[in-house]
Amino acid sequence: KNQVEQSPQSLIILEGKNCTLQCNYTVSPFSNLRWYKQDTGRGPVSLTIMTFSENTKSNGRYTATLDADTKQSSLHITASQLSDSASYICVVSAKDSSYKLIFGSGTRLLVRP
Amino acid sequence: DVKVTQSSRYLVKRTGEKVFLECVQDMDHENMFWYRQDPGLGLRLIYFSYDVKMKEKGDIPEGYSVSREKKERFSLILESASTNQTSMYLCASRIQSSSYNEQFFGPGTRLTVL
Repeated sequence: KNQVEQSPQSLIILEGKNCTLQCNYTVSPFSNLRWYKQDTGRGPVSLTIMTFSENTKSNGRYTATLDADTKQSSLHITASQLSDSASYICVVSAKDSSYKLIFGSGTRLLVRP
Repeated sequence: DVKVTQSSRYLVKRTGEKVFLECVQDMDHENMFWYRQDPGLGLRLIYFSYDVKMKEKGDIPEGYSVSREKKERFSLILESASTNQTSMYLCASRIQSSSYNEQFFGPGTRLTVL
């Protein structure tokens, strides 16, 4: 069964600190993996997308990694800001479906001053 | 930039009412989707539409129907709202040829059924 699991469920950090969010997936055949940021009461917005051949991709203070062998991804946030407080959702696409996305349940991050 | 809008941010309805949630996208995307999002669960696909007047059931279509009369507009209909349909509803759109299956989301409608 295609699944995406994220950890931790929630995380509280102090402003300026770094943090890493984890995503494990069992989707096969794998096409790509995307991290979304969802602010409270808003729709998800794409941060990064990674295909099978990519190991690392950065978007400002956000760096995503992908290990296709172990089927794991991480999202590292550097020098956190209050505006980073949001839910972060890991989403995987399978090659055998042109439209279906498999969503993780998200990690809720709270950055405190 | 792709813009996906939803008709209401918050909606409160009573059990048994017929509820319409509307979604509009301005980028001429062929595909449109309706999801619901509940705490502790990932987004779950209710219905999607490949193009005008075309629709297919997603993973949880029970209790819902959809309408797509125009390319830019995709409506989700709750024929008789029930309390277990209280949720956050998200609409998304996508260009048919998207090789990465990138979907663009609207801001969501938080529906409460009393």
